[in-house]
Amino acid sequence: DVKVTQSSRYLVKRTGEKVFLECVQDMDHENMFWYRQDPGLGLRLIYFSYDVKMKEKGDIPEGYSVSREKKERFSLILESASTNQTSMYLCASSLTRRTEAFFGQGTRLTVV
Amino acid sequence: AQKITQTQPGMFVQEKEAVTLDCTYDTSDQSYGLFWYKQPSSGEMIFLIYQGSYDEQNATEGRYSLNFQKARKSANLVISASQLGDSAMYFCAMRGLQGGSEKLVFGKGTKLTVNP
Repeated sequence: DVKVTQSSRYLVKRTGEKVFLECVQDMDHENMFWYRQDPGLGLRLIYFSYDVKMKEKGDIPEGYSVSREKKERFSLILESASTNQTSMYLCASSLTRRTEAFFGQGTRLTVV
Repeated sequence: AQKITQTQPGMFVQEKEAVTLDCTYDTSDQSYGLFWYKQPSSGEMIFLIYQGSYDEQNATEGRYSLNFQKARKSANLVISASQLGDSAMYFCAMRGLQGGSEKLVFGKGTKLTVNP
């Protein structure tokens, strides 16, 4: 069974902290994505990766970075968390452009 | 740049009736893919249907069909015989190339409510 796992379901962090959100997939997928979801704004793409150590900026990369040291793991890093980064974060992976993306369960991050 | 537009923030439909959720897209790519996802209140993202830009026939999956009009750059989702369990957020998404890698972008979504 296909699986994308995000390390935390809920997370509360303080302003200025460095935050790591982890995502692991067990499907040997090349492509992985990080989104944030906010009411009325849909899913906005932060970063994506098409191979190990490869990454591309999405539509809203400011304040975020990513790491992909192994094919199955794609980490989202908030260098210095701010309250406007409070959101639901979704990780996804897919094999090719013709196949669907599979999503993790999401991490609801609150920055106080 | 790739962009997905969903102009209906909310839609209402009576149970057992059909409903169309609108989606238009913008891309300069010749090869791309279009997807629809459902997100119930539980939060999981459920894949519904896929249409490739070179597919000549409209995609269908059970009660879901995709009305693909390439010249108009639209990819509307049609749900036939609506059920109460269809109440959810629906997202249209497009997959295409950016700098040689495959970007997947989503619209803002449409909240569908099915009334008994």
